[in-house]
Amino acid sequence: QVQLVESGGGLVKPGGSLRLSCAASGFTFSDYYMSWIRQAPGKGLEWLSDISSSGHTIYYADSVKGRFTISRDNAKNSLYLQMNSLRAEDTAVYYCAREGDPYSSGWYRYWGQGTLVTVSS
Amino acid sequence: QLVLTQSPSASASLGASVKLTCTLSSGHSSYAIAWHQQQPEKGPRYLMKLNSDGSHSKGDGIPDRFSGSSSGAERYLTISSLQSEDEADYYCQTWGTGINVFGGGTKLTVL
Repeated sequence: QVQLVESGGGLVKPGGSLRLSCAASGFTFSDYYMSWIRQAPGKGLEWLSDISSSGHTIYYADSVKGRFTISRDNAKNSLYLQMNSLRAEDTAVYYCAREGDPYSSGWYRYWGQGTLVTVSS
Repeated sequence: QLVLTQSPSASASLGASVKLTCTLSSGHSSYAIAWHQQQPEKGPRYLMKLNSDGSHSKGDGIPDRFSGSSSGAERYLTISSLQSEDEADYYCQTWGTGINVFGGGTKLTVL
């Protein structure tokens, strides 16, 4: 069965950096777009970034453009999110998600369980 | 601008039915959406993809009690025979080239 397991969250000071990972299994990772979505405490879901199956096409939300970098390693079935210049408002649970159809961006059929990032001094 | 609008809250009694609404912004009435459920303290779970013609495809193990329908720019999620575990936040989601959008979510209370 499809599994997405995020890791790498934790407590970081404002201005600091953190790298999140998402380990995927149960499907052909290299066939699917992948995404990062976050949820601040008590708030709704916010899309952050998409990466195509090959890694050649990448999109970002304006809120993280220039600070966050999405990447993937298809040989390791892994998705990453490098987060720099972190701010208090980046405090959230971060989810990775897999698109529903191969080779296309759109709806999320599978979600990870999330990893908590806390930005505080 | 692609926007999804949801009512913040809804409530219905155990065993009853409830219909949640997600409204697409002007000019986007042909867009498909997806519905996701988030139970308390859990990650989101995909429920279904819902097309503008009302056709939908549900996720693995989603009961028949969950169904979707469409009318114009409105997308609906109907939950029948409400159970206590249906108490959750429900989010609609849509997409365009280079963008994904979530509605603000509807918190469903089962009375």
